[in-house]
Amino acid sequence: AQKITQTQPGMFVQEKEAVTLDCTYDTSDPSYGLFWYKQPSSGEMIFLIYQGSYDQQNATEGRYSLNFQKARKSANLVISASQLGDSAMYFCAMREEVSGANSKLTFGKGITLSVRP
Amino acid sequence: DAGITQSPRHKVTETGTPVTLRCHQTENHRYMYWYRQDPGHGLRLIHYSYGVKDTDKGEVSDGYSVSRSKTEDFLLTLESATSSQTSVYFCAISERGVAKNIQYFGAGTRLSVL
Repeated sequence: AQKITQTQPGMFVQEKEAVTLDCTYDTSDPSYGLFWYKQPSSGEMIFLIYQGSYDQQNATEGRYSLNFQKARKSANLVISASQLGDSAMYFCAMREEVSGANSKLTFGKGITLSVRP
Repeated sequence: DAGITQSPRHKVTETGTPVTLRCHQTENHRYMYWYRQDPGHGLRLIHYSYGVKDTDKGEVSDGYSVSRSKTEDFLLTLESATSSQTSVYFCAISERGVAKNIQYFGAGTRLSVL
């Protein structure tokens, strides 16, 4: 069963506007973590933001915020004031507790974001 | 910078040959991971390690083996490479003793099996 779903096709946003990238997840574990990573065309994976399942508030990191709706099992990434450098592939990932290991991430298939000048 | 170095960065090899990819870290992290990235699949976990000589399988472990004889090095071996193993391979580490357990990634190794 797919645990992380990212179904949006390629996304486009005008520079300086906000954009939301969707992510839904599925787990029966009450304790889990949700992550977003950015992969620019250069190929590296860059950690952006983290949300714990027990966190009371939505996570924020600079221009990135995570719209966490636990009952709906969604963890959408919001990028405010888009910049040309935000053009990249974005991956949502979920960490579930695994016996004997620190963490184990399951990734979605990614969403391509293009920022237009 | 999480101090992760992957080598080689690019490799072309022939079907049936053995290949070893190396992940080296400088910050004494306990946990290390190998992923592969293929179009339409995101990243998928191959193997992971939770200490020296302690490893376990991920979701796509067939055809791969790993070894970790010292904290800083995590090796991924393709015993007999196949074309289906053409992929980009990422190593990751997670921070020791931190609740968020964020995984940080190396720059990746692009492997082509002809």
